Amino acid sequence: AQSVTQLGSHVSVSEGALVLLRCNYSSSVPPYLFWYVQYPNQGLQLLLKYTTGATLVKGINGFEAEFKKSETSFHLTKPSAHMSDAAEYFCAVSGFIEGGGADGLTFGKGTHLIIQP
Amino acid sequence: DGGITQSPKYLFRKEGQNVTLSCEQNLNHDAMYWYRQDPGQGLRLIYYSQIVNDFQKGDIAEGYSVSREKKESFPLTVTSAQKNPTAFYLCASSIRTPGGRSEQYFGPGTRLTVT
Repeated sequence: AQSVTQLGSHVSVSEGALVLLRCNYSSSVPPYLFWYVQYPNQGLQLLLKYTTGATLVKGINGFEAEFKKSETSFHLTKPSAHMSDAAEYFCAVSGFIEGGGADGLTFGKGTHLIIQP
Repeated sequence: DGGITQSPKYLFRKEGQNVTLSCEQNLNHDAMYWYRQDPGQGLRLIYYSQIVNDFQKGDIAEGYSVSREKKESFPLTVTSAQKNPTAFYLCASSIRTPGGRSEQYFGPGTRLTVT
């Protein structure tokens, strides 16, 4: 079984400030972790993913995330927020599915990022 | 240009009518999924399919049905038995990997409104 908790349904930052979106997960096996972004009335776009290896992963649009096993966290950061970053962000975890095939992606409830001018 | 298409973008129906949402992908992915998205609730899995002619119920399958006759297509029917069908519906696909741990690719979504 696996689960994802995103702390804060809404996060507001000023343009140019650090963006930090929190994600904690639980998984009975070594997880694969993902961050997706969703703009209004659109589908989800993959920002970045962690599978194995380097725990700091870089994604598109200047975002990065660090996998911390001891803290069961995968927080998303960006050094300087832009107005165009305003969107909904989803963290997801993939555990192991017996026999392979369709993955067991479990999504958090999302964090709405608001950028103040 | 590979991707996932969903049509239509907006769909309006009267209560008591069945409605079918289209999802097509040209990514050559084996697995396809349907999610429902409601404000503040994230994504909830309705159905998924790992291969042609096979599909499995997700967490909220009641009132929905699917078919997978072709690799490229995974239509979702919202039946009159679905008590609260108004929502944003997202289709996704992924490759099949050992352990099934690949990222999913999403379509643009269909917003269904039932009155």
